[in-house]
Amino acid sequence: QSVLTQPPSASGTPGQRVTISCSGSSSNIGSHTVNWYQQLPGTAPKLLIFSGNQRPSGVPDRFSGSKSGTSASLAISGLQSEDEADYYCATWDDSLNGLCVFGTGTKVTVL
Amino acid sequence: QVQLQESGPGLVKPSQTLSLTCSVSGDPISGSNYYWTWIRQPAGKGLEWIGRIFTSGTTNYNPSLKSRVTISVDTSKNQFSLKLSSVTAADTAVYYCARSPGGYDLYYYYYYMDVWGKGTTVTVSS
Repeated sequence: QSVLTQPPSASGTPGQRVTISCSGSSSNIGSHTVNWYQQLPGTAPKLLIFSGNQRPSGVPDRFSGSKSGTSASLAISGLQSEDEADYYCATWDDSLNGLCVFGTGTKVTVL
Repeated sequence: QVQLQESGPGLVKPSQTLSLTCSVSGDPISGSNYYWTWIRQPAGKGLEWIGRIFTSGTTNYNPSLKSRVTISVDTSKNQFSLKLSSVTAADTAVYYCARSPGGYDLYYYYYYMDVWGKGTTVTVSS
């Protein structure tokens, strides 16, 4: 039921820059801030980026978020082995009286 | 440091009601300016937002689940709860609770989950 579309996978070698896209519409990304979550294998998701480009305390500045129109992106610079995880974008959607919507998720593999 | 912990039966029979509780420590729910949220994730699949409750008791639910979901808060126990009725195998998932800041920041509405519980697995099976 995901209304935000992400590529299923992305990969890179250590030190490379990896970018993950998140495509939505005017009722979600186009109107609200985008958040990103990292989910390491077997663990609960963790907030990575909130309100578009803000990082919670403890999140390295290698992670950055951006938005343009109805699309958003997460960039991981200086890729490290511990970055291998699933990444989800999320935002509020104004349709159907409002709900939070998640992206389809992207598996990042460090080669 | 705020922590959340889900609890409840790990096995529920089809057509019955799934009931989970999220216990919050380190942050009183009463008087807080947060939403308290439930999310689920079927094995090998993505995240699905179930709904949220504000401290005042105001709720919002995912329209796809709205007819079956009730989220409530018990400030005396510093807990909030999820009830999902008429469950089927499709409701089998890991269920997470989370704390959620939400509001308006100049032009945009923001809402996100900043603290998550570890999750609890619920299987629907006879």
